[in-house]
Amino acid sequence: GAVVSQHPSWVICKSGTSVKIECRSLDFQATTMFWYRQFPKQSLMLMATSNEGSKATYEQGVEKDKFLINHASLTLSTLTVTSAHPEDSSFYICSARSETGTSYEQYFGPGTRLTVT
Amino acid sequence: GQNIDQPTEMTATEGAIVQINCTYQTSGFNGLFWYQQHAGEAPTFLSYNVLDGLEEKGRFSSFLSRSKGYSYLLLKELQMKDSASYLCAVVDSNYQLIWGAGTKLIIKP
Repeated sequence: GAVVSQHPSWVICKSGTSVKIECRSLDFQATTMFWYRQFPKQSLMLMATSNEGSKATYEQGVEKDKFLINHASLTLSTLTVTSAHPEDSSFYICSARSETGTSYEQYFGPGTRLTVT
Repeated sequence: GQNIDQPTEMTATEGAIVQINCTYQTSGFNGLFWYQQHAGEAPTFLSYNVLDGLEEKGRFSSFLSRSKGYSYLLLKELQMKDSASYLCAVVDSNYQLIWGAGTKLIIKP
């Protein structure tokens, strides 16, 4: 159980275009989802916390108008990178937290590798 | 501020034992996770400790001392596939995960 999927797994786009990444919890309901970014050889960096039905909470330094997050249901959150630039090229990972347990474990999606040319 | 410290890189030999340490200073504590992350992949869950002591799970064990703000991950009978980054993460008083920078473990034959 506790499977999280991400789509697409990799994407190449041109500078100035927008890209949408989907994160789905397949077999549980996730009140809270998290979006991370990871540059090569660096640790995970939390971008934002997404709660179903409310606005996302962004970490300091993350532009909310550039990284649009929508958590419309208990099983789906989307991250849209608007007006992408080459410096946005990174590995984007989502995770979902099940509220039914007590361990607060986050279940990770497989990640999306974004390359902006 | 909140801080998680773990070594940047460690090297060990196939078949040996390695201990990866993690020290933390956080606002509150609601448990500590260890995750494994292979290059280019998302992290996968290894262990969760919320009480003091040692939790053993096959070749991997995790230890916690809350009074010392300290945990370690012990890997036995190392295999080449254990080459990965190992991430320590603490659940703080707001139930958010605070991540360490990760320890890159290199296994040599």
